[in-house]
Amino acid sequence: GIQVEQSPPDLILQEGANSTLRCNFSDSVNNLQWFHQNPWGQLINLFYIPSGTKQNGRLSATTVATERYSLLYISSSQTTDSGVYFCAVVGGGSNYKLTFGKGTLLTVNP
Amino acid sequence: NAGVTQTPKFQVLKTGQSMTLQCAQDMNHEYMSWYRQDPGMGLRLIHYSVGAGITDQGEVPNGYNVSRSTTEDFPLRLLSAAPSQTSVYFCASSYSSGWGTDTQYFGPGTRLTVL
Repeated sequence: GIQVEQSPPDLILQEGANSTLRCNFSDSVNNLQWFHQNPWGQLINLFYIPSGTKQNGRLSATTVATERYSLLYISSSQTTDSGVYFCAVVGGGSNYKLTFGKGTLLTVNP
Repeated sequence: NAGVTQTPKFQVLKTGQSMTLQCAQDMNHEYMSWYRQDPGMGLRLIHYSVGAGITDQGEVPNGYNVSRSTTEDFPLRLLSAAPSQTSVYFCASSYSSGWGTDTQYFGPGTRLTVL
């Protein structure tokens, strides 16, 4: 099946700093999503972005499908950005099986 | 809209017991799915459904059964619980077409411990 690798596994920032999270995948995809899991365990969809660039406030994402990677940018980080960020894809011949990476644990200190 | 709801929030079972995790959504989504989340493993797909009466296996289906009799509900059954099934279980839903799924909406999760 398709492989999804996220980097870095852990990231510690001071409030106000910027960061870039990366997601590499091993096959063509027709669906790529970024999620944030807050410290209470709730999973929130950030972006549906199989290709191109999207922005939502301080967050933006870019997927370069031909080169099999996606980037999530967080600007002016806040303590509420802390949590785990997951990338998930559908591809490798499947239209419906979402495969998750292992996530990036982000800690934003005040 | 309640979104995606899951019950119970917490459950403790003994090895060999059976139980059903409930999942419901009120967004008229065709696609529903179940995941388990274990430390350091991310989320892994157990089963999914693209509509009432249609289910299929995901990455880790062994030990779990599903059925989809209505658009709204997608219960997950553990027939004989094992300690290896201790995990946090998430249900998700989305719109769907022949080309695949859309933005996923997750429930709050069920934390299951099997002794």
